Amino acid sequence: NAGVMQNPRHLVRRRGQEARLRCSPMKGHSHVYWYRQLPEEGLKFMVYLQKENIIDESGMPKERFSAEFPKEGPSILRIQQVVRGDSAAYFCASSPDRNNSPLHFGNGTRLTVT
Amino acid sequence: GEDVEQSLFLSVREGDSSVINCTYTDSSSTYLYWYKQEPGAGLQLLTYIFSNMDMKQDQRLTVLLNKKDKHLSLRIADTQTGDSAIYFCAEARGGFKTIFGAGTRLFVKA
Repeated sequence: NAGVMQNPRHLVRRRGQEARLRCSPMKGHSHVYWYRQLPEEGLKFMVYLQKENIIDESGMPKERFSAEFPKEGPSILRIQQVVRGDSAAYFCASSPDRNNSPLHFGNGTRLTVT
Repeated sequence: GEDVEQSLFLSVREGDSSVINCTYTDSSSTYLYWYKQEPGAGLQLLTYIFSNMDMKQDQRLTVLLNKKDKHLSLRIADTQTGDSAIYFCAEARGGFKTIFGAGTRLFVKA
C-alpha cells in the first residue's frame, strides 16, 4: 500500500502522559501536513513540514505540541502532558510539492485521553 | 472571515440528486476541492476544480464554481446509500495551506 500510513489507529492515554503519532507520507511525497478533527467538526490545520524543516506551525498550540519530519523515518506529532481536550482524530496528509497539489490523507489516529 | 462555510446536514432519497453548497473566502485561491469522509476513515479526494473553470463533470459528480460570489457546489446525480458520508469543501490558499469547511453530513434514505 503506497498511501499515507498513520499509526497507531487508536491511542489511549491518561492525563499527563505523552502521545506520539506517526505518519509516513506517500512514496515520492516530501511535504507533510497535520490536521486535527474534533468530534462533529471540520479539520483544523496544525503544521506543515518538509524534510527536516517546519514551514508553518501557525495552527499548532504553542505549548505541549511539537512536530518533526526527520531526514529518515516518519513524521512525528508529539503531545506532552495530554489533557482531555486533546482527544480528537489527528490526520496526516502529504503532497509531492507545495503548489496546491491535492492532499492525500491517512486514516488518522484517534486519540482518547482518559 | 477566514472560514470556509458549508451547511451541516443534507438528507435525500435514494435516486435523487444531492447538491452540497460551499462558500469560500480567498478570491486568490487557485484550487477548490471536494473530499469525502466515511466513518472511521480519512479524507478521500473526490474531485477538484481550478479557479479559471466554471464547471467540471466527472461521472455522477458535477462541480460548479461561481468566482464572483465565491460559491462552490457539488452535485451528485442518482444518489446511492453508499454516498452517505461527510463531504468537505476545501480551498488551497497561499501556495500550500488548504483550509477545510466543517463538512456536510449527507444522509441517503432508501
